[in-house]
Amino acid sequence: EDQVTQSPEALRLQEGESSSLNCSYTVSGLRGLFWYRQDPGKGPEFLFTLYSAGEEKEKERLKATLTKKESFLHITAPKPEDSATYLCAVQASSSNTGKLIFGQGTTLQVKP
Amino acid sequence: EPEVTQTPSHQVTQMGQEVILRCVPISNHLYFYWYRQILGQKVEFLVSFYNNEISEKSEIFDDQFSVERPDGSNFTLKIRSTKLEDSAMYFCASIAETQYFGPGTRLLVL
Repeated sequence: EDQVTQSPEALRLQEGESSSLNCSYTVSGLRGLFWYRQDPGKGPEFLFTLYSAGEEKEKERLKATLTKKESFLHITAPKPEDSATYLCAVQASSSNTGKLIFGQGTTLQVKP
Repeated sequence: EPEVTQTPSHQVTQMGQEVILRCVPISNHLYFYWYRQILGQKVEFLVSFYNNEISEKSEIFDDQFSVERPDGSNFTLKIRSTKLEDSAMYFCASIAETQYFGPGTRLLVL
């Protein structure tokens, strides 16, 4: 069964304190791995797509990396406005419709 | 920048009533999706829709649910007889290279 697990469930950082969020996945075949940001009561906001092991993408203070079993979202020198829930999702080869399988998310709080 | 829109933003209904949630996907996208997120839980896939028909559905998407693209722009999710456990955020999404999500409809069934 295709599955996505994120850790930790919650993370509290001081402003400027860098850290990483983990997304472990078990899929029959990976078509793509997606990172989204979700603010309370809002829809997921697209951040990155990664397709193959070794791939990396960056956007401002965020950097996403991918291995054959997991992905990391690195947050460098976070600011309070980075506080949100970060969702990881995969597209598996078992589906040809592009549906996403989500992890439960990591809720990040950055204190000033 | 094009975006997915959803209406209403909030809906309160009585158990057993029918509700229709509406979405306007991004115009040149071809695949459309509905997901739901029960409070505190994962975002869950409900259904995908392509070329005016359902292409895949989850176990959650039973006979109480239906989807329709009544015209060239709207994409709807209908729940025929709502249950308490249908209370959730419902998200519409459409895809080009990636899936873009709408802001969601918060459905509360009393």
